[in-house]
Amino acid sequence: EADIYQTPRYLVIGTGKKITLECSQTMGHDKMYWYQQDPGMELHLIHYSYGVNSTEKGDLSSESTVSRIRTEHFPLTLESARPSHTSQYLCAAGGPNTEAFFGQGTRLTVV
Amino acid sequence: AQRVTQPEKLLSVFKGAPVELKCNYSYSGSPELFWYVQYSRQRLQLLLRHISRESIKGFTADLNKGETSFHLKKPFAQEEDSAMYYCALRESSYKLIFGSGTRLLVRP
Repeated sequence: EADIYQTPRYLVIGTGKKITLECSQTMGHDKMYWYQQDPGMELHLIHYSYGVNSTEKGDLSSESTVSRIRTEHFPLTLESARPSHTSQYLCAAGGPNTEAFFGQGTRLTVV
Repeated sequence: AQRVTQPEKLLSVFKGAPVELKCNYSYSGSPELFWYVQYSRQRLQLLLRHISRESIKGFTADLNKGETSFHLKKPFAQEEDSAMYYCALRESSYKLIFGSGTRLLVRP
């Protein structure tokens, strides 16, 4: 079934740890996105990709990095997690002139 | 700068009452606007887009370029409409700008 998957759903981790949030899609879309959302606030675009080997930073500055080695996979990495990184991270995929399809999100807490 | 404003964080109505969720935007070009919805414990999903001019689950939204608004309306709210609603503007072929969202609570 065509879908977009994020793992883990919830993550609690200590300060200084390296983490990777996974995002995979079986929809065949070229464009993928990472949004960051604090409770009750708007979604902020932090990274996007047009396709394989294409990654760009979004509007909100983020210390995270992304890679796009395969069309279906768009992981987000934090080299050294800090409490200020605590947030919800939403991954999305879309094609030309289509809406964005979102994953379930990863709620990250850095203690 | 392009911006989407949803002035209400919470809108509470009784079942059967009309609902209007407000959305205003600022955009220099020809806007493409969407409403997304997030039900409890579910992912964010598209509700409707202005170019389709469709009614989904009884909701409609009309783009008013003069007032730069894209308000979401439903004549008779149902309890299952309770959710978070986000207005979004497509700024370019890849970028969606979201508002801060409005929580709709429909009371029995």
